[in-house]
Amino acid sequence: LAKTTQPISMDSYEGQEVNITCSHNNIATNDYITWYQQFPSQGPRFIIQGYKTKVTNEVASLFIPADRKSSTLSLPRVSLSDTAVYYCLGFSSGTYKYIFGTGTRLKVLA
Amino acid sequence: DAGVTQSPTHLIKTRGQQVTLRCSPKSGHDTVSWYQQALGQGPQFIFQYYEEEERQRGNFPDRFSGHQFPNYSSELNVNALLLGDSALYLCASSLGNEQYFGPGTRLTVT
Repeated sequence: LAKTTQPISMDSYEGQEVNITCSHNNIATNDYITWYQQFPSQGPRFIIQGYKTKVTNEVASLFIPADRKSSTLSLPRVSLSDTAVYYCLGFSSGTYKYIFGTGTRLKVLA
Repeated sequence: DAGVTQSPTHLIKTRGQQVTLRCSPKSGHDTVSWYQQALGQGPQFIFQYYEEEERQRGNFPDRFSGHQFPNYSSELNVNALLLGDSALYLCASSLGNEQYFGPGTRLTVT
């Protein structure tokens, strides 16, 4: 199961694109990369999941290079309401476990 | 379609007591996982239930136990509560790779 490393915190301004990169050097062949958003005292909210290359949904894009040792969550045109903690984690279909790291605390400024 | 629901929302217990937390999964989901999240930390995996059996367990003592019912709902039981058990307890349900979290139960042990 992939152990992940993310920046502890990031600041951005409203309207900017934010990219949060996660390192997962020991990712296994069958691990998916999943990103969650969490607000204080709430459960994590699923943002996006991918296995390789690029995945895009209505709220974000996920870029995973060919070696899969890192991934980048891209949030287009952030707003103040995007201020939250973002977690990157690996999911192994073999062990069925998600291992959360400490996450990246994103602060969006006006 | 209701998402993952948990009850109660908040709970205050005394050291040494026992507590039961409840979770109803998202419609169609057959797998339930439980996490403990201390203040300022990422969620820590407790265990996962599938087909009414504990399929995977994290690094938690036997004081933490659970159950899954035929309708896929689940309970988390914690015996002999310690002050350190104070946390947000999260339930997540899944069908396949995508895991969805409930709002959590805030447990305070005094």
